[in-house]
This record gives sequence, structure tokens and C-alpha cells, in this order.
Amino acid sequence: DIQLTQSPSFLSAYLGDRVTVTCRASQGISSNLAWYQQKPGKAPKLLIYAASTLQSGVPSRFSGSGSGTEFTLTISSLQPEDFATYYCQQLYSYPFTFGQGTRLEIK
Amino acid sequence: EVQLVESGGGLVQPGGSLRLSCAASEITFTDSYMSWVRQAPGKGLEWVASINQDRSEKYYMDSVKGRFTISRDNGKKSLYLQMNSLRAEDTAVYYCARVIVVIPVTYGMDVWGQGTTVTVSS
Repeated sequence: DIQLTQSPSFLSAYLGDRVTVTCRASQGISSNLAWYQQKPGKAPKLLIYAASTLQSGVPSRFSGSGSGTEFTLTISSLQPEDFATYYCQQLYSYPFTFGQGTRLEIK
Repeated sequence: EVQLVESGGGLVQPGGSLRLSCAASEITFTDSYMSWVRQAPGKGLEWVASINQDRSEKYYMDSVKGRFTISRDNGKKSLYLQMNSLRAEDTAVYYCARVIVVIPVTYGMDVWGQGTTVTVSS
């Protein structure tokens, strides 16, 4: 199975900050990576697919990059509604594993 | 837009069974790969199973193989997860999700239900 390791697991930042979350795969997964945002008590929301394609309706302050084994999610200027937990998921091969999550909190 | 509504969760004893359902409100369900994803209390997301449009392909995580069965009824626009021999570690919120697939590439899960809670406890 492909393992995904996110870093950091916890991130504290100010409104307006630029933040980056990294997701590393245990083997190459081409660009078959998605990023999700989840708020407490809610279902996950797809933000980015194919490593760098913004899902329809997602603000442009979100961006993704990478291929192979290293990927990043960047939020260019944090807004109050961005404080949530973020997950990466590989869709290269079954089982479609998720990273352990990165919890983003307001400093 | 496809909307998904799960049902069927509840409290069940270890070794028991439950059948989860996911009803889709839009006709494109029949053209969609579908998945179940779960989240144990206070934990991260865990992919459970996936099924293609015509039921010819089904995939499961190792720990549920032989115990869980994913199925669908396109006429009823519904997805199911039959869960047998339930264990305490199956306790979680179970989400159904639509999977974006443009063969041969799987892109992500773009529509999610609100989740249904399964608790396995004596």
C-alpha cells in the first residue's frame, strides 16, 4: 500500500499568512493526488485534484503543486473560513490512502 | 448537482451486521464511480471501498475484505455497504462519495454525503 505522510500535523498561523502543507508518498504516484478540507462535524470538501487543478468554486488563494512523491498545498492569504483540517489522498492505486491530516488553527 | 444522503447507521454489538444506504438525487449517479470513506472518532479519513458504474469492479481496504460488501442499484440511484462481523474498530462516521474518473485516471471525490454514524459496542 502507498503511504502518505503530511507535514506538519499541526499548524498555527495568523490571518493573512501564507501557509504550505506538504504531502509525501512512499512511492511515485504521478499527479494522482487530491487535497480536501474538512471542518468539524462536516464532510470533506474537494479542493484540488490531479495535484494542481483547482476544483470548481474553490477560491484561487488555494493552489497545489508537485508530482511523483512530493506535493504541496499552499494557501496564499489565510481567511477565517480556512481554519480547518486538510488531507491529501492518493488515487494512483488501490487502496486510495489518505494522509493523516494537517490541522490549521488561528494563532 | 448530485446530492448524497446516507442512512442505516446505528449501534450494533460486535459480530453483528448493518447495511448502510446512500441515496443520490441526481441522474448522473448511473455514470459515476462511488466510494465509501469512514472516519473514526477523532481520527483521520480512511477509504473503505469503491465500485464502478456497472458493478464489474469492486475494491476494498484489507481490513474489511470478506466482511463488507459494496453494491449499487442504478435504477434506485442508491449505493449500499453491507457490513458483517462488525468489530469495535469499525466504529466511525461513514461517508459515501462520488469519484471523478476519466478512464484510466481517478481524480478525486467531489460530492460527499453528510455521513452516518456506526457504533460497534456491547
